[in-house]
Amino acid sequence: QKEVEQDPGPLSVPEGAIVSLNCTYSNSAFQYFMWYRQYSRKGPELLMYTYSSGNKEDGRFTAQVDKSSKYISLFIRDSQPSDSATYLCAMSRANNLFFGTGTRLTVIP
Amino acid sequence: NAGVTQTPKFQVLKTGQSMTLQCAQDMNHNSMYWYRQDPGMGLRLIYYSASEGTTDKGEVPNGYNVSRLNKREFSLRLESAAPSQTSVYFCASSEDGGENQPQHFGDGTRLSIL
Repeated sequence: QKEVEQDPGPLSVPEGAIVSLNCTYSNSAFQYFMWYRQYSRKGPELLMYTYSSGNKEDGRFTAQVDKSSKYISLFIRDSQPSDSATYLCAMSRANNLFFGTGTRLTVIP
Repeated sequence: NAGVTQTPKFQVLKTGQSMTLQCAQDMNHNSMYWYRQDPGMGLRLIYYSASEGTTDKGEVPNGYNVSRLNKREFSLRLESAAPSQTSVYFCASSEDGGENQPQHFGDGTRLSIL
């Protein structure tokens, strides 16, 4: 069993929709949780960074962590075609980052 | 504002050839990392360097060597390339190796081994 599980999608939504992306994990030692956005043929770009449980909002993006359920989410409001990318969840322990496999999102104009 | 720079961007090798992937960061970060990204497998850590002068194995180190040349540069070497090493390789850096430090990535080297 992988330490971090992420539905690979793909996910297609119309412009303006609310998008929900999710990951589950098995190791309760994870304390720091991240979402990266990766455009085609580019490197992962840090999008959101949260510590422990709770919500964090940044513009149209909200990251949510539920440590009791070992579940993290990224919500995108008013999705735009420019949001079309692969979204990777990641969580850290010691020196290492553990990544989900990524969810490919397409926002259709 | 370059961040993490990787060279080359693309490379095709024959089985058994060797090559070195280069990575440099200009953010004065102490820690650097090499990952490979394969379909369905996500990003997997090959090696990392917590600070200048130190290197450690990650999840998939077999077939690779690394050198932390100085604080800015961290190279990855394939001594005898195999088709299983066909992948996209990413270098990353962070301020230090603490788990509260996010990593910043380069744009990758796409490597094909025939």
